[in-house]
Amino acid sequence: DIVMTQSPDSLAVSLGERATINCKSSQSVLYSSNNKNYLIWYQQKPGQPPKLLFYWASIRESGVPDRFSGSGSGTDFTLTISSLQAEDVAVYYCQQFYSSPLTFGGGTKVEIK
Amino acid sequence: EVQLVESGGGLVKPGGSLRLSCAASGFSFSNAWMSWVRQVPGKGLEWVGRIKSKTDGGTTDYVAPVKGRFTLSRDDSKNTLYLQMNSLKTEDTAVYYCTTSRRDILTGNYEWYFDYWGQGTLVTVSS
Repeated sequence: DIVMTQSPDSLAVSLGERATINCKSSQSVLYSSNNKNYLIWYQQKPGQPPKLLFYWASIRESGVPDRFSGSGSGTDFTLTISSLQAEDVAVYYCQQFYSSPLTFGGGTKVEIK
Repeated sequence: EVQLVESGGGLVKPGGSLRLSCAASGFSFSNAWMSWVRQVPGKGLEWVGRIKSKTDGGTTDYVAPVKGRFTLSRDDSKNTLYLQMNSLKTEDTAVYYCTTSRRDILTGNYEWYFDYWGQGTLVTVSS
C-alpha cells in the first residue's frame, strides 16, 4: 500500500499570509508512460463532504480560487494558499490513485491565527 | 445538477448487517465508476471500495479491512449504488460517503479520484 503522509497536522496562519501543506507518498505516484502524477488535493469544511481542489497534482479544479496552487512530483507534493482568507479554514487532504488501495493523507487542519 | 443521496445508515450491533444505498441523479449513472469513502467523525478519510460500470466489466475492489465482509453492487435501472455490510465491527463506525469518479474530458477515461460526493450517512456499530 502507498502511505500518504501530510505535514503539518495543523497550522495557524494570519489572514493574508501564506499557508503551505506538504504531502509525501511512500513510493512515487508519477506514472512514467504519461508523465502524470496520480495525486489529488481535497478541501473539507466542517459538516461538509470533501471538495476536489486539484487533480494530477497541479491542475486546479474549475471554480477554485487562484490563490490555491498545487505542485510537486514523484513523492513530494505541496498545496499552497498564497493569501489565506477566512473561508479557507478547513482540513486539507491529499490522495493517491496510482494504485489500489486508494489512500489518503491524514489531513492538515488550517486555522486563522 | 449531480446529486448523490445516501441512506440506510443507523445503529447496529457488532456482528450485524446493514445495507447502504446511494441514489444518483444528474449524470449518466450506468457509465459511471463509483466508490464509497468513509470517515470516522473527527478523523481522516478512508476509501472503502469501488465498482466500475457494467460496460467496463463491473469489477469491484476493496480496502483490506472490509474484504470479505462488504460488497458493492449497482442497479443501473434504479440509478442506485449499494454497499452491503456484513459482520460489522465497532471500527466500521463512520460516516459513509458515496462518490463519483472523474471522467477525463480529453481521454474519456475514468480516473479514480472523486469529483462529486454525497452528504454521507452515519453508521454506528455498538452494543
